[in-house]
Amino acid sequence: KAGVTQTPRYLIKTRGQQVTLSCSPISGHRSVSWYQQTPGQGLQFLFEYFSETQRNKGNFPGRFSGRQFSNSRSEMNVSTLELGDSALYLCASSFLGDSTEAFFGQGTRLTVV
Amino acid sequence: GQNIDQPTEMTATEGAIVQINCTYQTSGFNGLFWYQQHAGEAPTFLSYNVLDGLEEKGRFSSFLSRSKGYSYLLLKELQMKDSASYLCAVTGTALIFGKGTTLSVSS
Repeated sequence: KAGVTQTPRYLIKTRGQQVTLSCSPISGHRSVSWYQQTPGQGLQFLFEYFSETQRNKGNFPGRFSGRQFSNSRSEMNVSTLELGDSALYLCASSFLGDSTEAFFGQGTRLTVV
Repeated sequence: GQNIDQPTEMTATEGAIVQINCTYQTSGFNGLFWYQQHAGEAPTFLSYNVLDGLEEKGRFSSFLSRSKGYSYLLLKELQMKDSASYLCAVTGTALIFGKGTTLSVSS
């Protein structure tokens, strides 16, 4: 079966702009989680969506937001980009979230200049 | 809050055994995952522990002690391809990762 698909793979944006990243989970998976990965901080949890509802949220500013559609596809949006937002953004899908194995996409590499 | 600690870096030689430790403090705990991440790639699932004890899967084993907030990943018969980052993650209200342990295997 198809894995988790994230688009785009690479993105370059300017400070102050906004960006939308997309994640298509594995068919049948209802939970989608987003993570920011940087060399110094590792994988930091942004938020989790389950059946179109945000179920959990990490400690990121309100500039980071997301949503999930009825087909479980998810998008995350970052507004007013800052240089520090440069990172690899990973999406993970799982059947139920919590105690079920998460499968990761290849990520979107965002560079803010 | 949640806090997950693991060593930043470890080195080992081919054929050896290495143990990567992970300690955690979390409000709400369902289980503990280990993931492997090669440079430039997505993390991939290695193991999941819910109950205390050792889970063995081929060359990899994972141990959990819930009362001590402690887990380890044991890698046997190390191969060069095992050079990667190993991520400990706990699940309670969400799946939260430690910063990862970068393992370098040399010949």
